[in-house]
Amino acid sequence: SQTIHQWPATLVQPVGSPLSLECTVEGTSNPNLYWYRQAAGRGLQLLFYSVGIGQISSEVPQNLSASRPQDRQFILSSKKLLLSDSGFYLCASLRGNEQYFGPGTRLTVT
Amino acid sequence: AQKVTQAQTEISVVEKEDVTLDCVYETRDTTYYLFWYKQPPSGELVFLIRRNSFDEQNEISGRYSWNFQKSTSSFNFTITASQVVDSAVYFCALSGIAGGTSYGKLTFGQGTILTVHP
Repeated sequence: SQTIHQWPATLVQPVGSPLSLECTVEGTSNPNLYWYRQAAGRGLQLLFYSVGIGQISSEVPQNLSASRPQDRQFILSSKKLLLSDSGFYLCASLRGNEQYFGPGTRLTVT
Repeated sequence: AQKVTQAQTEISVVEKEDVTLDCVYETRDTTYYLFWYKQPPSGELVFLIRRNSFDEQNEISGRYSWNFQKSTSSFNFTITASQVVDSAVYFCALSGIAGGTSYGKLTFGQGTILTVHP
Protein backbone atom coordinates (compact mmCIF):
# COMPACT_ATOMS: atom_id res chain seq x y z
CA SER A 1 0.00 0.00 0.00
CA GLN A 2 1.00 3.59 -0.51
CA THR A 3 2.38 5.76 2.31
CA ILE A 4 2.95 9.50 2.11
CA HIS A 5 5.39 11.26 4.42
CA GLN A 6 5.57 14.97 4.99
CA TRP A 7 7.95 17.01 7.08
CA PRO A 8 8.17 18.97 9.09
CA ALA A 9 4.81 18.52 10.78
CA THR A 10 4.74 22.10 12.04
CA LEU A 11 6.81 25.13 11.22
CA VAL A 12 6.92 28.73 12.42
CA GLN A 13 8.87 31.05 10.17
CA PRO A 14 9.35 34.83 10.06
CA VAL A 15 8.24 36.88 7.08
CA GLY A 16 10.96 37.02 4.44
CA SER A 17 12.58 33.73 5.38
CA PRO A 18 12.91 30.80 2.93
CA LEU A 19 10.78 27.67 3.00
CA SER A 20 11.25 24.07 2.06
CA LEU A 21 8.57 21.44 2.67
CA GLU A 22 9.20 17.87 1.66
CA CYS A 23 6.89 15.08 0.61
CA THR A 24 7.96 11.52 -0.12
CA VAL A 25 5.86 8.60 -1.25
CA GLU A 26 6.42 4.90 -0.62
CA GLY A 27 4.80 1.90 -2.22
CA THR A 28 4.33 3.21 -5.74
CA SER A 29 6.31 4.40 -8.73
CA ASN A 30 5.80 7.35 -11.06
CA PRO A 31 2.73 8.68 -9.25
CA ASN A 32 1.00 11.95 -10.01
CA LEU A 33 1.79 14.19 -7.04
CA TYR A 34 -0.04 17.27 -5.77
CA TRP A 35 0.42 20.12 -3.31
CA TYR A 36 -2.70 21.63 -1.74
CA ARG A 37 -3.02 24.47 0.74
CA GLN A 38 -5.74 24.87 3.28
CA ALA A 39 -5.96 28.39 4.64
CA ALA A 40 -7.95 29.25 7.75
CA GLY A 41 -11.57 28.75 6.78
CA ARG A 42 -11.22 25.16 5.58
CA GLY A 43 -11.16 25.28 1.74
CA LEU A 44 -8.44 23.31 -0.04
CA GLN A 45 -6.74 24.85 -3.02
CA LEU A 46 -4.54 23.00 -5.49
CA LEU A 47 -1.16 24.74 -5.80
CA PHE A 48 0.96 22.44 -7.96
CA TYR A 49 0.84 19.05 -9.55
CA SER A 50 3.46 16.86 -11.18
CA VAL A 51 3.11 13.92 -13.55
CA GLY A 52 6.81 13.02 -13.51
CA ILE A 53 10.35 13.98 -12.54
CA GLY A 54 11.02 17.62 -13.36
CA GLN A 55 7.45 18.17 -14.60
CA ILE A 56 5.65 20.79 -12.55
CA SER A 57 2.40 22.59 -13.31
CA SER A 58 1.24 25.57 -11.29
CA GLU A 59 -2.43 26.16 -10.72
CA VAL A 60 -2.36 29.63 -9.20
CA PRO A 61 0.14 32.49 -9.32
CA GLN A 62 1.84 32.81 -5.98
CA ASN A 63 4.95 33.20 -3.94
CA LEU A 64 5.70 29.48 -3.93
CA SER A 65 7.43 27.03 -6.26
CA ALA A 66 7.62 23.26 -6.47
CA SER A 67 10.17 20.76 -7.65
CA ARG A 68 10.30 17.04 -8.20
CA PRO A 69 13.94 15.95 -8.15
CA GLN A 70 13.15 12.24 -7.77
CA ASP A 71 10.25 10.03 -8.76
CA ARG A 72 8.74 9.88 -5.29
CA GLN A 73 9.87 13.22 -3.88
CA PHE A 74 7.96 16.46 -4.16
CA ILE A 75 9.23 19.70 -2.65
CA LEU A 76 7.44 22.98 -2.00
CA SER A 77 9.64 26.06 -1.66
CA SER A 78 9.69 29.78 -1.26
CA LYS A 79 12.57 32.25 -1.33
CA LYS A 80 10.77 34.79 0.87
CA LEU A 81 7.69 33.93 2.88
CA LEU A 82 4.70 36.24 3.15
CA LEU A 83 2.15 36.36 5.94
CA SER A 84 -0.42 35.07 3.47
CA ASP A 85 1.59 31.86 3.02
CA SER A 86 0.41 30.64 6.43
CA GLY A 87 -1.75 27.56 6.24
CA PHE A 88 -1.91 23.79 6.24
CA TYR A 89 -0.04 22.20 3.35
CA LEU A 90 -1.04 18.78 2.14
CA CYS A 91 0.77 16.54 -0.30
CA ALA A 92 -1.23 13.94 -2.20
CA SER A 93 -0.48 11.02 -4.47
CA LEU A 94 -2.72 9.52 -7.09
CA ARG A 95 -3.45 5.80 -7.00
CA GLY A 96 -5.76 4.74 -9.77
CA ASN A 97 -8.32 7.51 -9.77
CA GLU A 98 -8.10 8.25 -6.04
CA GLN A 99 -5.90 10.75 -4.26
CA TYR A 100 -4.43 9.86 -0.92
CA PHE A 101 -3.08 12.54 1.35
CA GLY A 102 -0.11 12.87 3.67
CA PRO A 103 -0.37 14.08 7.27
CA GLY A 104 0.26 17.71 6.31
CA THR A 105 2.54 20.52 7.44
CA ARG A 106 1.11 23.40 9.45
CA LEU A 107 2.99 26.58 8.54
CA THR A 108 2.69 29.79 10.52
CA VAL A 109 4.40 32.86 9.13
CA THR A 110 4.99 35.53 11.79
CA ALA B 1 -14.56 24.98 -15.06
CA GLN B 2 -15.43 22.58 -12.30
CA LYS B 3 -17.19 23.65 -9.14
CA VAL B 4 -18.32 21.92 -5.96
CA THR B 5 -20.77 23.52 -3.56
CA GLN B 6 -21.38 22.41 -0.01
CA ALA B 7 -24.06 24.79 1.13
CA GLN B 8 -24.04 23.66 4.76
CA THR B 9 -21.22 25.42 6.55
CA GLU B 10 -21.85 23.82 9.93
CA ILE B 11 -24.19 21.12 11.23
CA SER B 12 -24.73 20.26 14.85
CA VAL B 13 -26.56 17.11 15.93
CA VAL B 14 -27.01 15.01 19.01
CA GLU B 15 -25.58 11.52 19.09
CA LYS B 16 -27.71 8.85 17.37
CA GLU B 17 -29.37 11.34 15.07
CA ASP B 18 -29.10 10.81 11.33
CA VAL B 19 -27.44 13.59 9.37
CA THR B 20 -27.13 14.31 5.65
CA LEU B 21 -24.37 16.41 4.14
CA ASP B 22 -25.23 17.98 0.81
CA CYS B 23 -22.95 18.32 -2.21
CA VAL B 24 -23.77 19.82 -5.60
CA TYR B 25 -21.29 19.92 -8.44
CA GLU B 26 -20.75 21.43 -11.87
CA THR B 27 -18.60 20.00 -14.64
CA ARG B 28 -18.50 19.85 -18.41
CA ASP B 29 -16.77 16.47 -18.38
CA THR B 30 -18.87 13.52 -19.42
CA THR B 31 -16.75 11.19 -17.33
CA TYR B 32 -15.75 12.28 -13.86
CA TYR B 33 -15.33 11.10 -10.29
CA LEU B 34 -16.88 12.31 -7.08
CA PHE B 35 -15.33 11.88 -3.66
CA TRP B 36 -15.96 12.40 0.00
CA TYR B 37 -13.12 12.99 2.45
CA LYS B 38 -13.17 13.32 6.23
CA GLN B 39 -10.82 15.69 8.04
CA PRO B 40 -10.66 14.98 11.78
CA PRO B 41 -9.07 17.50 14.17
CA SER B 42 -5.62 16.01 13.43
CA GLY B 43 -5.88 17.55 9.96
CA GLU B 44 -5.16 14.55 7.77
CA LEU B 45 -7.65 13.97 4.97
CA VAL B 46 -9.19 10.51 5.10
CA PHE B 47 -10.61 9.06 1.90
CA LEU B 48 -14.19 7.80 2.32
CA ILE B 49 -15.57 7.03 -1.11
CA ARG B 50 -15.17 7.47 -4.84
CA ARG B 51 -18.08 7.35 -7.25
CA ASN B 52 -17.83 7.17 -11.05
CA SER B 53 -20.13 9.38 -13.09
CA PHE B 54 -21.51 6.40 -14.98
CA ASP B 55 -22.46 4.49 -11.84
CA GLU B 56 -25.50 5.94 -10.11
CA GLN B 57 -25.99 3.10 -7.68
CA ASN B 58 -26.24 4.25 -4.13
CA GLU B 59 -23.67 2.83 -1.76
CA ILE B 60 -23.80 1.87 1.88
CA SER B 61 -20.84 1.19 4.11
CA GLY B 62 -21.80 0.55 7.69
CA ARG B 63 -23.40 3.73 9.03
CA TYR B 64 -22.39 5.69 5.95
CA SER B 65 -24.41 5.93 2.76
CA TRP B 66 -24.10 7.99 -0.38
CA ASN B 67 -26.80 9.12 -2.80
CA PHE B 68 -25.58 10.08 -6.28
CA GLN B 69 -28.12 11.73 -8.57
CA LYS B 70 -26.75 12.79 -11.92
CA SER B 71 -30.01 14.50 -12.90
CA THR B 72 -29.59 17.02 -10.09
CA SER B 73 -25.75 16.95 -10.02
CA SER B 74 -25.77 15.97 -6.39
CA PHE B 75 -23.75 13.54 -4.31
CA ASN B 76 -25.10 13.58 -0.78
CA PHE B 77 -23.63 11.77 2.22
CA THR B 78 -25.71 10.42 5.10
CA ILE B 79 -24.44 9.25 8.46
CA THR B 80 -26.94 7.07 10.29
CA ALA B 81 -26.98 6.99 14.08
CA SER B 82 -24.21 9.57 14.36
CA GLN B 83 -21.49 9.21 16.97
CA VAL B 84 -19.18 11.71 18.65
CA VAL B 85 -16.27 10.27 16.65
CA ASP B 86 -18.00 11.42 13.47
CA SER B 87 -17.26 15.03 14.43
CA ALA B 88 -15.00 16.39 11.70
CA VAL B 89 -14.94 18.52 8.59
CA TYR B 90 -16.28 16.68 5.56
CA PHE B 91 -15.27 17.58 2.03
CA CYS B 92 -16.91 16.71 -1.23
CA ALA B 93 -14.60 16.77 -4.27
CA LEU B 94 -14.68 16.29 -8.02
CA SER B 95 -12.06 15.26 -10.58
CA GLY B 96 -11.83 14.31 -14.19
CA ILE B 97 -10.28 11.00 -15.18
CA ALA B 98 -6.62 10.66 -14.23
CA GLY B 99 -5.53 9.80 -17.74
CA GLY B 100 -7.16 12.86 -19.24
CA THR B 101 -6.12 16.49 -19.27
CA SER B 102 -7.37 17.03 -15.74
CA TYR B 103 -4.55 14.78 -14.44
CA GLY B 104 -6.73 13.68 -11.56
CA LYS B 105 -6.76 17.15 -10.01
CA LEU B 106 -9.35 17.57 -7.29
CA THR B 107 -11.77 20.47 -6.95
CA PHE B 108 -13.01 20.66 -3.38
CA GLY B 109 -16.10 22.13 -1.84
CA GLN B 110 -15.65 24.44 1.13
CA GLY B 111 -16.41 21.68 3.56
CA THR B 112 -19.08 21.10 6.21
CA ILE B 113 -18.17 21.12 9.88
CA LEU B 114 -20.10 18.36 11.61
CA THR B 115 -20.33 18.41 15.39
CA VAL B 116 -21.95 15.49 17.13
CA HIS B 117 -22.84 16.17 20.76
CA PRO B 118 -23.06 13.37 23.31
